[in-house]
Amino acid sequence: QKEVEQNSGPLSVPEGAIASLNCTYSDRGSQSFFWYRQYSGKSPELIMSIYSNGDKEDGRFTAQLNKASQYVSLLIRDSQPSDSATYLCAVIRTGTASKLTFGTGTRLQVTL
Amino acid sequence: AAGVIQSPRHLIKEKRETATLKCYPIPRHDTVYWYQQGPGQDPQFLISFYEKMQSDKGSIPDRFSAQQFSDYHSELNMSSLELGDSALYFCASSLSTGSSYEQYFGPGTRLTVT
Repeated sequence: QKEVEQNSGPLSVPEGAIASLNCTYSDRGSQSFFWYRQYSGKSPELIMSIYSNGDKEDGRFTAQLNKASQYVSLLIRDSQPSDSATYLCAVIRTGTASKLTFGTGTRLQVTL
Repeated sequence: AAGVIQSPRHLIKEKRETATLKCYPIPRHDTVYWYQQGPGQDPQFLISFYEKMQSDKGSIPDRFSAQQFSDYHSELNMSSLELGDSALYFCASSLSTGSSYEQYFGPGTRLTVT
């Protein structure tokens, strides 16, 4: 079992819809959680960070964290074709000196 | 805003050769991380440096070494290259002060070993 789990997809949503991406993690002591967007052959781009339970909104993006359920999610409102990419969930685990542990990513396809 | 700079962007080497990858972090960032991403895989942590000292080590082969210099740039040295070393190598940087641990990635170096 991977330390950070994501559904690999592809997740297909129509343009203008809400895309919901999910991630679970195994280390209950994890404190920091991130969502990165990665286009094919490009580097991961940080789009959201979240450290405490609840919701955090930034533009069309909302990250949700539930530490009791060891679950973090990303909602993308008004999805655009340019949002089509792989979304990587990343966690900083307890005692790991801030290295990121990634999930395998969810591929999102926004269709016209 | 200034970003992480990596060089070279592409590198082709033969088996058993050596390679050196360079990373220039975002100005004022004090921590550098190296990640390796194989085709269809998620990035895997290799090694990190904080204030020029190694701070953590991941699944980095003994054939690889790295260091951070006084100007905070970092170099990843790879020797006795194998076909399986072909991958994207990313450098990321962060600022360790405060409660944020956000890491910003450079564009990567695509290493091809033939």
